[in-house]
Amino acid sequence: QKEVEQDPGPLSVPEGAIVSLNCTYSNSAFQYFMWYRQYSRKGPELLMYTYSSGNKEDGRFTAQVDKSSKYISLFIRDSQPSDSATYLCAMRGRYNTDKLIFGTGTRLQVFP
Amino acid sequence: SAVISQKPSRDICQRGTSLTIQCQVDSQVTMMFWYRQQPGQSLTLIATANQGSEATYESGFVIDKFPISRPNLTFSTLTVSNMSPEDSSIYLCSAGQGSSYGYTFGSGTRLTVV
Repeated sequence: QKEVEQDPGPLSVPEGAIVSLNCTYSNSAFQYFMWYRQYSRKGPELLMYTYSSGNKEDGRFTAQVDKSSKYISLFIRDSQPSDSATYLCAMRGRYNTDKLIFGTGTRLQVFP
Repeated sequence: SAVISQKPSRDICQRGTSLTIQCQVDSQVTMMFWYRQQPGQSLTLIATANQGSEATYESGFVIDKFPISRPNLTFSTLTVSNMSPEDSSIYLCSAGQGSSYGYTFGSGTRLTVV
């Protein structure tokens, strides 16, 4: 079993839709949770990070962490064609030297 | 956050040769990492580049195959040695401060070995 599981998609939605992207994990030591966005032929770009459980909102993006269920989500409201990319979840333990563990990424396409 | 310049952006190499990838950060950073990303797979950490000392390699990666240098707090190189077609992949440099929750990535080097 992988430490982090993420549905690879692709996920295709119309412009304006609410998108829900999810990851599950097995390691209860994970404390920091991140979402990266990766456009084609580019490096991953950090979108959001969350510490422990709870919600965090930034514009159209909301990150949720449910540590009891070992489940994290990224919601995108009013999705735009420019949101079309691969979204990777990542997580690590409490220490700054702990390595990041990535999901495989979910490919999202938002069509006009 | 730090800005990373990585080069080359892509290369096609003959098997048995070596390629050195450079990673330049626009500010001093504590942590620098090298990843490999294969199509449809998650990012795999190759090693942590330590300034002034030997890199820390992950399981499955060895120094003879992937020698890494980090002469200062803004620069690192990864060499892919004695390449085979199985080394064809995207190689990514990542960097940040030790207190960061996340790290910045370069644009990657797309390597094809023929």
